[in-house]
Amino acid sequence: QSALTQPASVSGSPGQSITLSCTGTSSDIGAYNYVSWYQQHPGRAPMLLIYDVTNRPSGVSSRFSGSKSGNTASLTISGLQAEDEADYYCSSYASTSTLILFGGGTKLTVL
Amino acid sequence: QVQLVQSGGGVVQPGKSLRLSCAASGFTFGDYGMHWVRQAPGKGLEWVAFISYDGGNEYYTDSVKGRFTISRDNTNDTLFLQMSSLRTADTAVYYCAKDPYLFVAALRWFDSWGQGTLVTVSS
Repeated sequence: QSALTQPASVSGSPGQSITLSCTGTSSDIGAYNYVSWYQQHPGRAPMLLIYDVTNRPSGVSSRFSGSKSGNTASLTISGLQAEDEADYYCSSYASTSTLILFGGGTKLTVL
Repeated sequence: QVQLVQSGGGVVQPGKSLRLSCAASGFTFGDYGMHWVRQAPGKGLEWVAFISYDGGNEYYTDSVKGRFTISRDNTNDTLFLQMSSLRTADTAVYYCAKDPYLFVAALRWFDSWGQGTLVTVSS
């Protein structure tokens, strides 16, 4: 069982907007603005999409945006495209012996 | 651009040892902390270890403490993960990943990743 909780799967149609959730606790997501999101296509290394809750690295599409409320972080993908079909992982710093936690991942299917 | 090229994976018996390497280029390796992250087959990501830019600080996830050692050679721009007393539960693709901030450990996101190397622990 992963430390952060993500839905196992979500789906959407091209052009639609979808939101992926990531739930933690007051020791990780709720305590710090240190949530990041990664996209991983099959057989590939993860790629950073969002860091520190809302920041997007250069080169990442503005269709990806992040937010947080309490112990839950969210990744919104607008204008869904076929290439967005992938696994998405959230991560957070934590004040525990395991410093960096990941969610179990959400598989996004573009219908 | 940043490149992290990994090597050293393979099949190993339980209880044995293995060393992974991650050769860095495209940035001043000795100025940044580095991590290892793993992914068991069909599973999610798991942070494994971190080493500071100068090797002075190391952090590990609980399940590998006392068995794995992260190290670095700043002269040759290479990161290592020495894995000992391997267990079947250690079977995973191991990724090296770069901490984003100069000298200071961000310890909260990874801005570049290696291609991954598969470690299979099996008798």
